[in-house]
Amino acid sequence: AQSVTQLGSHVSVSEGALVLLRCNYSSSVPPYLFWYVQYPNQGLQLLLKYTTGATLVKGINGFEAEFKKSETSFHLTKPSAHMSDAAEYFCAVRRFGNEKLTFGTGTRLTIIP
Amino acid sequence: EAGVTQFPSHSVIEKGQTVTLRCDPISGHDNLYWYRRVMGKEIKFLLHFVKESKQDESGMPNNRFLAERTGGTYSTLKVQPAELEDSGVYFCASSPGIVAEAFFGQGTRLTVV
Repeated sequence: AQSVTQLGSHVSVSEGALVLLRCNYSSSVPPYLFWYVQYPNQGLQLLLKYTTGATLVKGINGFEAEFKKSETSFHLTKPSAHMSDAAEYFCAVRRFGNEKLTFGTGTRLTIIP
Repeated sequence: EAGVTQFPSHSVIEKGQTVTLRCDPISGHDNLYWYRRVMGKEIKFLLHFVKESKQDESGMPNNRFLAERTGGTYSTLKVQPAELEDSGVYFCASSPGIVAEAFFGQGTRLTVV
């Protein structure tokens, strides 16, 4: 069975600082990997995804993530945090040929002015 | 283009009552998913429709939950009778096909008191 671990249910960073949200997965085969974001009072929005090819994936709003197979990780980063990045972030995996997503418990990101 | 629409956005019901949640997917999306997030926990898969057929219902908690998708358009998720542990946010998502991005609705927050 697949599982997703997000380290840190709450992360606070100063405006302008580096954002690093951690995600590790367990899977018997390399899965498809996703980061979703939920802004207050909104639905889940896809930030970025890794399926095949280049392991460094760029998403919306300046976020990127790197798939590291040897570390079974897919950490999300952004060089400079903005107040509008305050939201809850979810890492998810999906096995090839299987439609359902397996999510982590989420990380709530707070931006300190 | 309209996104995935869910209603109601909030529902508060008493234990033992019945509640029906509705999801309108993006037009033309054959795949429809239901997920649930219990407070503080991960978002968990409930079931997957392809058109009007249940492709995977392995995540349905018990037989108090009934999902339908008549005509392959909108879907309903009925909880009867509701229990306290059914409280949470119920998300619906739709996608046009395999590997395609799943688009999520805003969710329905269900509170059973």
